This record gives sequence, C-alpha cells and structure tokens, in this order.
Amino acid sequence: QKEVEQNSGPLSVPEGAIASLNCTYSDRGSQSFFWYRQYSGKSPELIMFIYSNGDKEDGRFTAQLNKASQYVSLLIRDSQPSDSATYLCAVAGGTSYGKLTFGQGTILTVHP
Amino acid sequence: DADVTQTPRNRITKTGKRIMLECSQTKGHDRMYWYRQDPGLGLRLIYYSFDVKDINKGEISDGYSVSRQAQAKFSLSLESAIPNQTALYFCATSRGQGEFFGPGTRLTVL
Repeated sequence: QKEVEQNSGPLSVPEGAIASLNCTYSDRGSQSFFWYRQYSGKSPELIMFIYSNGDKEDGRFTAQLNKASQYVSLLIRDSQPSDSATYLCAVAGGTSYGKLTFGQGTILTVHP
Repeated sequence: DADVTQTPRNRITKTGKRIMLECSQTKGHDRMYWYRQDPGLGLRLIYYSFDVKDINKGEISDGYSVSRQAQAKFSLSLESAIPNQTALYFCATSRGQGEFFGPGTRLTVL
C-alpha cells in the first residue's frame, strides 16, 4: 500500500462546478496535511494546509480532514479553467518527521 | 521578495560527467530539500537537511551527494551522470509548515 494515495485521474469538471480531490494516508501518526497545485512544467505551489479534524476554508478552496478515517480532501468551488493543474496531497509527521510524503497527484481539467 | 532560486534552469550533459545543481534561498528557513520528479512517479526525496550540520538521505539518494554550504545554500551533485537521472529537479525550503519550492532544473543526461 502506498503511503499517500490520491484518487486516480484525470478529473474533468465543467466551469463553475465543484471539484473534489481526495487523498488517503497510511501513517496514523501523521499530523500535518498539505495541498499543492502544480501547473505543467512549473514547481508545486502550496495552496492549503490543515492540522485539525474538520474543515478549513480559504476563498474557493476547502480542505477537509478526518484523522479517524485517514482521509483528507480538497474542494474547489466555482471551478475556473485556471484551476486546471495537477493537485498534490502531502503528509508530514509520524514516521516522516520534518519531511513531506507526496501522493502521485490528480490531474484536474476544468472545461469552459 | 523572499525566494528560492535554482541554477541552472536547464542542463544537457553526457553520461559520466559530474554535474552540480545549486539552490539558494532568502526565506531564512533552516530546512532544505532536494527532490526529483519523473512522469508517473511523482516527487521523490533525494536528500534533506535541517541545518548546516545536518544531512539526511531520502528515498533515492544513490548516485547523488549534497553539500550544505550555508543556511541559505544547498547543492546537489551527480558525480557521474547516467541517463536515468534525466528528470526535473526541485529544491525546497521549510520552517516546518509546508515546503516552498524553487522553479526547478530540467536535467537531461545523454
């Protein structure tokens, strides 16, 4: 089992819809959870982080964390074509103190 | 503006050559990292450093070495490059709340 798994893509949504990106992790000691956006040929950009169970909202983005289920998700409301990118889930803590373990990424395409 | 920079941005080299990729940062972060990214394999950690005197191997350190010359500088070396080291290389920094990436170096080994 991979340490961090993301829902297989690519994911395609129409403009204005909600995009839902999911991630599960295997290390129960994990404490910090991050979402990165990566445009093709560019470096990953940190867009959200969450430490506590529940929801965290930042503009059109909402991160959700459920430590009991070892599940973290990212919702993008009112999706725009500019949101088209690869989204990377990353986890820290537990056996990975001080470093991130990344998922493989989910490619999101928002079509007009 | 505080930033992470990498040099060179692109490099084409031949098998057996020694290559150094450099990373510098003005963020004041103690932690620095080197990753490689390959299509379908995601980001893989090569080496990381929590301060100038601390160097740790990541999951794919074979064939690579690093030097932490100062808090702000972290270099990655390929002593004898081989074609399967062709990849996109990223440097990243952190103070413990997520990592911030440089623009990347695209390395091609012929």
